[in-house]
Amino acid sequence: EAGVTQSPTHLIKTRGQQATLRCSPISGHTSVYWYQQALGLGLQFLLWYDEGEERNRGNFPPRFSGRQFPNYSSELNVNALELEDSALYLCASRRSSTDTQYFGPGTRLTVL
Amino acid sequence: QKEVEQNSGPLSVPEGAIASLNCTYSDRGSQSFFWYRQYSGKSPELIMFIYSNGDKEDGRFTAQLNKASQYVSLLIRDSQPSDSATYLCAVNRGNAGNMLTFGGGTRLMVKP
Repeated sequence: EAGVTQSPTHLIKTRGQQATLRCSPISGHTSVYWYQQALGLGLQFLLWYDEGEERNRGNFPPRFSGRQFPNYSSELNVNALELEDSALYLCASRRSSTDTQYFGPGTRLTVL
Repeated sequence: QKEVEQNSGPLSVPEGAIASLNCTYSDRGSQSFFWYRQYSGKSPELIMFIYSNGDKEDGRFTAQLNKASQYVSLLIRDSQPSDSATYLCAVNRGNAGNMLTFGGGTRLMVKP
């Protein structure tokens, strides 16, 4: 069974630009979670999508947004990039009948 | 008080010893508990989950849960240098969406 996949692996942007990160969940998983992990810091919850709807969001400004597609894949968009947005962005997926989350390899975003 | 607390470490143990990683949580309604391992620059990898009081063993790993004391631990027997990583404790507080709340992680160093 294929795991959670994320693309791209690395992304370099400059301040003010927009970044788009993508995630494909494990087959059969309907929930997708996005987390931010800045260097040396813990996981910060960003967004949760389930069945195509945004169900919850963490304490992040509105310029962090996303969506979930009918095939349950998801996209995270970060607008008006700031230097402090540089981090590892992690996607995790979950089957509806369980509470176990499985993580993808992450996208390393660098904002110059 | 943080919702999920871990000693940041580093916890240093010699090869072959037992490493004991601890986690406390504040919400008595918490239902399930997870341990993830994260190597530097990589994404978290699920090691174990536990739902009931007591011990749960999987190979060299044993998770221990004491809901009365709001305490969960991970024991690693016969520690190997390859076990050197940051260990994240995560708790499902039983809220909507089976959201996981992560601790800050404990860095483990196993010395040959």
